[in-house]
Amino acid sequence: AQTVTQSQPEMSVQEAETVTLSCTYDTSESDYYLFWYKQPPSRQMILVIRQEAYKQQNATENRFSVNFQKAAKSFSLKISDSQLGDAAMYFCAYASSGDKLTFGTGTRLAVRP
Amino acid sequence: DGGITQSPKYLFRKEGQNVTLSCEQNLNHDAMYWYRQDPGQGLRLIYYSQIVNDFQKGDIAEGYSVSREKKESFPLTVTSAQKNPTAFYLCASSIFGTWYNEQFFGPGTRLTVL
Repeated sequence: AQTVTQSQPEMSVQEAETVTLSCTYDTSESDYYLFWYKQPPSRQMILVIRQEAYKQQNATENRFSVNFQKAAKSFSLKISDSQLGDAAMYFCAYASSGDKLTFGTGTRLAVRP
Repeated sequence: DGGITQSPKYLFRKEGQNVTLSCEQNLNHDAMYWYRQDPGQGLRLIYYSQIVNDFQKGDIAEGYSVSREKKESFPLTVTSAQKNPTAFYLCASSIFGTWYNEQFFGPGTRLTVL
């Protein structure tokens, strides 16, 4: 089974600053997909960003970007210009055509005003 | 508006009782999923259905049952055989049954066993 590790249970960032959340994964596949999902206090999860392993270019979505290091099996999320609405639990996840979506244990992000 | 609805939001159960959690989607998605969320453990897959009238066990299916008689509905029954059912339950759907498609989540149901 694939594993996804988020080593930071909690993080904190000052409003308008930049924060990076870490994620590592273990797989023997060469083609797979990585995700960051956000779970706000309402607890309804939404997709933040998705990266396809065969694409070398890092995915970006507005203030959210990833640093995908395939050889190191690392997939970090950078949030720029942090806003109060970014406060949430963030889950890193992995999937491939043959492997179910597997989630990490999450990082709780607090945003200080 | 298209989306996924789950009901009820909060559910209380006495030990020994079966309860059913509702999940409905109007996104015309083929696949639906049930996850359990416990503190510090992320999301764990209970059951999934990639097409109507078919479903598969996930990682923690023991003590749970599902049905998929309609494309838009995927109810989860928590049976008395589930030893520790108190948790937050999330339902999700995706347009196709491939794992790398984006999953859309409902607002969840908090189940508490009294």
